[in-house]
Amino acid sequence: DVKVTQSSRYLVKRTGEKVFLECVQDMDHENMFWYRQDPGLGLRLIYFSYDVKMKEKGDIPEGYSVSREKKERFSLILESASTNQTSMYLCASRPPTGVRGDTQYFGPGTRLTVL
Amino acid sequence: AQSVTQLGSHVSVSEGALVLLRCNYSSSVPPYLFWYVQYPNQGLQLLLKYTSAATLVKGINGFEAEFKKSETSFHLTKPSAHMSDAAEYFCAVSLKYNNNDMRFGAGTRLTVKP
Repeated sequence: DVKVTQSSRYLVKRTGEKVFLECVQDMDHENMFWYRQDPGLGLRLIYFSYDVKMKEKGDIPEGYSVSREKKERFSLILESASTNQTSMYLCASRPPTGVRGDTQYFGPGTRLTVL
Repeated sequence: AQSVTQLGSHVSVSEGALVLLRCNYSSSVPPYLFWYVQYPNQGLQLLLKYTSAATLVKGINGFEAEFKKSETSFHLTKPSAHMSDAAEYFCAVSLKYNNNDMRFGAGTRLTVKP
C-alpha cells in the first residue's frame, strides 16, 4: 500500500514565524502536491512538483514556498506565518500519468494554527 | 478549466436509508472523476474513480457512482447507510492527461442517524 506521511498532525505557531511542513511518500512517485483545506472551500492546490527540484504554482501560492530535494520528500514552507494561514494542510502523491488511473494518495493532514 | 459542484454541504440520512450525494462537473475535454472520503482527523481516502471505462463504477464500502455525460453528473450512492459512513465526501475532476490539475468540490458532510 502507498503510504504518505506528514511530520505533524497538529502544529501551533505564532505570527511571523517560519514554518516547515514535511511530507514523505514511500512509493517512488514523481508527482507530489500540497493542498489546504478550509470549510466550504474544499481543497485548494498550493504547489505541486513533478520531479526533484521541479515545482509549479497551484491556485493559491502566495505566502508559501516549497522544496523538493529528494524524490520522496516534499516540504511546504510558510516564510512568515499569518493568521489567515490557519488551516488543514494535506499532502498527496501520484504515480506517473496512466499508472493506476492517476489516483492521488493523501497523507493524514497537518492542522496548523497561527496565533 | 474543469470544475466541480457538490449540491448540499450537509446531508442527513437514517441508518439503513439510501445515501445520495450529488456531484456535477464541467470540463472541456473528457474527464477523470473521483470520489474521496475523509473521516474525522484523517486525510482523504479514495472511494472510487471513473476513468472512461464502465460508466457505473463500484467502489469500497458498498458505494457506487454513475457517470452521466448528458447530465454532466457523477452522483455517489449507497443503498443502505451505516453509522460508519458518517464522514465528509469530496468529488473531484481532473483532465484525462493532466491529473496534476485536479479540482475538488466543497465537500458534503454526511450524518447518519440511528
